[in-house]
Amino acid sequence: GQQLNQSPQSMFIQEGEDVSMNCTSSSIFNTWLWYKQDPGEGPVLLIALYKAGELTSNGRLTAQFGITRKDSFLNISASIPSDVGIYFCAGPNNNDMRFGAGTRLTVKP
Amino acid sequence: KAGVTQTPRYLIKTRGQQVTLSCSPISGHRSVSWYQQTPGQGLQFLFEYFSETQRNKGNFPGRFSGRQFSNSRSEMNVSTLELGDSALYLCASKMVGLGANVLTFGAGSRLTVL
Repeated sequence: GQQLNQSPQSMFIQEGEDVSMNCTSSSIFNTWLWYKQDPGEGPVLLIALYKAGELTSNGRLTAQFGITRKDSFLNISASIPSDVGIYFCAGPNNNDMRFGAGTRLTVKP
Repeated sequence: KAGVTQTPRYLIKTRGQQVTLSCSPISGHRSVSWYQQTPGQGLQFLFEYFSETQRNKGNFPGRFSGRQFSNSRSEMNVSTLELGDSALYLCASKMVGLGANVLTFGAGSRLTVL
């Protein structure tokens, strides 16, 4: 099935910096989800967005559901070493869940 | 409540063998999906089961199969293993109903085929 277009593929940042990543699709989604995967573990849900234009925060994380319903953004402020991992966007499509390819984040102390 | 439990966490097999992986969903979650994750291909959907029936299927060969039991626990089987089947196999469960579309993942079963 069609995957979501997620960028950037990887990021190398200094501790304390802010991070932005985004996800786009040619299809409309009614829900956008952001997951984080630590090495050797399964993805864990960070934020769920259910309404176009919605801006939701979870601690240092902020995510937005694009007005067109075809994109979403995730921002991480003041990054710390434990933010290291792979971040995935996801959107349900009928009975299927579509995933982005992931953004691999490395935080240098 | 307990999360999604996958067993075994790690296993090593040789080419030609078969393997069975198990997944216990969160209590009350009746849908179970399986994904294959490799470094080059990301998360690839294998299949979804609901009420002991396969509801959706990804683009994988027939060597990959699954089933779901009446208690919603699920197993997936890979027969005639190939080197390329080495991957992290993730199981995810969700409730079914209006607005219930968030997957909760297990920690995965890492399969190495030698």
